[in-house]
Amino acid sequence: NAGVTQTPKFRILKIGQSMTLQCTQDMNHNYMYWYRQDPGMGLKLIYYSVGAGITDKGEVPNGYNVSRSTTEDFPLRLELAAPSQTSVYFCASSYRPLADTEAFFGQGTRLTVV
Amino acid sequence: QKEVEQDPGPLSVPEGAIVSLNCTYSNSAFQYFMWYRQYSRKGPELLMYTYSSGNKEDGRFTAQVDKSSKYISLFIRDSQPSDSATYLCAMSEVDRGYSTLTFGKGTMLLVSP
Repeated sequence: NAGVTQTPKFRILKIGQSMTLQCTQDMNHNYMYWYRQDPGMGLKLIYYSVGAGITDKGEVPNGYNVSRSTTEDFPLRLELAAPSQTSVYFCASSYRPLADTEAFFGQGTRLTVV
Repeated sequence: QKEVEQDPGPLSVPEGAIVSLNCTYSNSAFQYFMWYRQYSRKGPELLMYTYSSGNKEDGRFTAQVDKSSKYISLFIRDSQPSDSATYLCAMSEVDRGYSTLTFGKGTMLLVSP
């Protein structure tokens, strides 16, 4: 059982470039999330989705976009990359809302913008 | 004042020590409290989950919630080198039928043999 799979694991982008971080889960979870983790700053929610076709902004959505066309996939798009987007990005999924259930995290994507 | 405060450490202890990790919070609407463990260059994994005030024990781990003081703790007994990781507290309230997690910054724990 693969769980939550993120690709790529590492990426270096130049300022102004765009890229898509891929996330897929095989647990048939309706709820999916994108977090970023900066050193010493904890995890911040970028976007989340409560089901296919439904997405909503989290705490730090500026500079990002998402889509959710299937239950399995929740890609995160970076347009016009900026150094402030250098971070580790984690995708997560859950069976129910996160109040009383476990979030399953991917291994993360380490992104550097230079 | 940030919603969730957590000392980033690092906290260094010898093998076998009792470890106490803590978080404070300001949002009285938080009802669900969790501890995630994150090994270096890995994603977080759920360690413990509690609802409302009280204690919960799971093997060497005990989670404690004091809602009146807005204070949560994680105790690790007989700590092992394999416990070396970053421990993230996380909290949640149910809002409009769905919820998200608010994380602390994480405390790095180093257990030396």
